[in-house]
Formats: sequence, structure tokens, C-alpha cells
Amino acid sequence: DTEVTQTPKHLVMGMTNKKSLKCEQHMGHRAMYWYKQKAKKPPELMFVYSYEKLSINESVPSRFSPECPNSSLLNLHLHALQPEDSALYLCASSHPPRGTDTQYFGPGTRLTVL
Amino acid sequence: GESVGLHLPTLSVQEGDNSIINCAYSNSASDYFIWYKQESGKGPQFIIDIRSNMDKRQGQRVTVLLNKTVKHLSLQIAATQPGDSAVYFCAERGGSSNTGKLIFGQGTTLQVKP
Repeated sequence: DTEVTQTPKHLVMGMTNKKSLKCEQHMGHRAMYWYKQKAKKPPELMFVYSYEKLSINESVPSRFSPECPNSSLLNLHLHALQPEDSALYLCASSHPPRGTDTQYFGPGTRLTVL
Repeated sequence: GESVGLHLPTLSVQEGDNSIINCAYSNSASDYFIWYKQESGKGPQFIIDIRSNMDKRQGQRVTVLLNKTVKHLSLQIAATQPGDSAVYFCAERGGSSNTGKLIFGQGTTLQVKP
């Protein structure tokens, strides 16, 4: 099973709202990732968690706040977003970064900020 | 700096023909490469990977070739089918082998004509 699930599939929010994106995997992976993907562009890395600890933050604005409650779950808390933050948000997981680490992606959450 | 690029943004092939999607990378120290397929409205799907100590790897109807001399990666799809229509991204693991960071190319859209 190489499934990563993400909820919700679609999200529309205003600039003053607070919302959260959720990601779950049951592959025993100990590294989890958040990516942002704009239309017709490749995914851009935002955050990496390794063994439930934040290991990489790609200079993401503080209005995006990641959380890794346990080894299977990854959240992305959103607050005071801007319209330009509208994008597809992808979660991925892999074995902890070592050797060859295939990242498996979820289907994404399509976020629209009004 | 590191970059991964694809030679053509769009490739159109006839159903049943073979497809070749190319990718150039710039970091000669990269040791791991992945091809992903992304269908409209979905997350990237792992197709095949290759380590830098290999020149060729085959999967079901797909072959990845790695030429380290010219820093070139290609994905060959045999007997292309309509279901192969998607955007294809190559990715390399950049930086330290312990970070898990993937650097994606810009993507090639494969269109399969019936």
C-alpha cells in the first residue's frame, strides 16, 4: 500500500479565516513533506519532517504553520492567507532521508483564497 | 546552482508509438533520480527511479536511462496509450543525501493522439 490521503480535497477560505489541511499515511514512513504547486508548475518544497521533527523550512511565511502530531499524521495550519497562496497543496511521505528515498504523494488539497 | 530541466514542454505522440521524454540536470553530485506522472487534478505518481551507479532501469513499459557524462535523464514509454497522457516530471535528490530534498524539472506534457 503506497497511499497518502489528504483532506479536504477542496478548500475555499477568506483572508481572515483559519483552516487546516490534513495528511495521513500508514506506510510506516518517518519523513513527511508539504509541497505547494501552482498551475502548470512543478511542486515546490515547503516543509520536511523527519521523525516528527521539523528538519527543513524553505523560508515559508509564518501564515503557514506545519504540525506533525505523530508519525502518521501531518497538518498544515493556515491563517491570514493571501490570494496568491491559492494553489494545490501536496503532502508526501518517505522513509527517513537516507539512500534512495522515494517520496509518495497524496492527491492534494486544492486551496482557493478569496 | 542545482537545476533540473526538461527539453520540451509538450510532446505529442500517436497511440501505439514509443515516447521519449528528456531531462537535463546540472548537479553532477546528484545520486538519485525519479520520474513522476501527474494526471490532471491528481498528485504526482511515482513511475520509476534510478541511482547514479546505474545507466538503465526497466519497469513495466517504461525505461529510464541515465547518462552521467552529459547529465541527461530520459524516460521511455513503450506502446504509448491514451492513459499515459499526463505531465511528466523528473526529479533529482539535491543537496545532502540526508535532507530528502527533491528538485523537480519543469515538466513535459505528454499528449497521446488516438
